[in-house]
Amino acid sequence: GAVVSQHPSRVICKSGTSVKIECRSLDFQATTMFWYRQFPKQSLMLMATSNEGSKATYEQGVEKDKFLINHASLTLSTLTVTSAHPEDSSFYICSASLAAVYEQFFGPGTRLTVL
Amino acid sequence: GQSLEQPSEVTAVEGAIVQINCTYQTSGFYGLSWYQQHDGGAPTFLSYNALDGLEETGRFSSFLSRSDSYGYLLLQELQMKDSASYFCAGLTGGGNKLTFGTGTQLKVEL
Repeated sequence: GAVVSQHPSRVICKSGTSVKIECRSLDFQATTMFWYRQFPKQSLMLMATSNEGSKATYEQGVEKDKFLINHASLTLSTLTVTSAHPEDSSFYICSASLAAVYEQFFGPGTRLTVL
Repeated sequence: GQSLEQPSEVTAVEGAIVQINCTYQTSGFYGLSWYQQHDGGAPTFLSYNALDGLEETGRFSSFLSRSDSYGYLLLQELQMKDSASYFCAGLTGGGNKLTFGTGTQLKVEL
């Protein structure tokens, strides 16, 4: 149980375009979903916390208008990278918590490459 | 700010015991989680310490000392498949989020 999927797994786009990444909890209803960014050989940096039906809470330094998060249901959260630029190239991972935030279930990640 | 520091790399031989340390400086600290991440994969939850002391789960144990702002993950009977990155993560933000440590890459050799 507690499976989280992410789609797409890889995306390559041109600079200036927008990219949407979906995160779904497949077999449970997630009270909270999280979006992280990870650079190669580095740690996971929390970008935002997403609760169903309410606005996401962004971490300091993360641009709300650039990284749009929508949490439409208890099983789906989306991250849209707007007007992507090469510096946005990264590994984006979502996670969901069932009951306890300390135990998060992670999706397989999305590798974004902006040309 | 919040910071959790770990050694960047640890190497050990198969069958051995290895300890991965985590020292933290955080405000509003509720507890310490540990996650494993294989290359290119998703992090997976290993353990959580809310209280001081040792928590044992099979070959893996985790320890927390709040007075020392320190914790560690202990891996016993190392196997090749344990080669991965390990992250400590502090439960912070009023218990509403995890702040991940710098990560430790563990290499298990024959």
